[in-house]
Amino acid sequence: GQQLNQSPQSMFIQEGEDVSMNCTSSSIFNTWLWYKQDPGEGPVLLIALYKAGELTSNGRLTAQFGITRKDSFLNISASIPSDVGIYFCAGQTSGSRLTFGEGTQLTVNP
Amino acid sequence: DTGVSQNPRHKITKRGQNVTFRCDPISEHNRLYWYRQTLGQGPEFLTYFQNEAQLEKSRLLSDRFSAERPKGSFSTLEIQRTEQGDSAMYLCASSHPGAQETQYFGPGTRLLVL
Repeated sequence: GQQLNQSPQSMFIQEGEDVSMNCTSSSIFNTWLWYKQDPGEGPVLLIALYKAGELTSNGRLTAQFGITRKDSFLNISASIPSDVGIYFCAGQTSGSRLTFGEGTQLTVNP
Repeated sequence: DTGVSQNPRHKITKRGQNVTFRCDPISEHNRLYWYRQTLGQGPEFLTYFQNEAQLEKSRLLSDRFSAERPKGSFSTLEIQRTEQGDSAMYLCASSHPGAQETQYFGPGTRLLVL
């Protein structure tokens, strides 16, 4: 099935560093979402973006909905050990299926 | 509200057996979605319901898979004659029409077919 192009695939950083990851698509989406998934658990919603150009923050997380509606990025500032996990972007057209990226595995070294 | 719940959390079965999973959505969420996730991949859409009506099915949903939501509340996903390739995490999500259809996921059911 269709997948979004998410990069990087993995990141190894030191505690306190900032992180940036992004997703691109050949298709236009009306909504972009970012989820975090811990091993053996379901994805947990971090940020939802509903409007092209929108920039939204949630604590140390900031995400933007690209102006072309074909891309989005997520930044994490001042990373901490509990930020470890897999981050997924997801695009949605209109109230139906989500199309997910392949995930970014984040490792934070204390 | 305790969020989306799924049962069982884990299931081990032998090839050829039938399995059934249950999902209880967040109350008052009228849309319910099923996804499948294999190791190292993002979740892939299987099907979704609006109330009791099944509105969309993915090509991933072979004829061995059937999903129901008879009363518009909980849903079941059944896999008949399981194959080793069915081993995956099966995720359920729900959304509310008045909340921009943002999907909230359950903890998933991990299936292992031996």
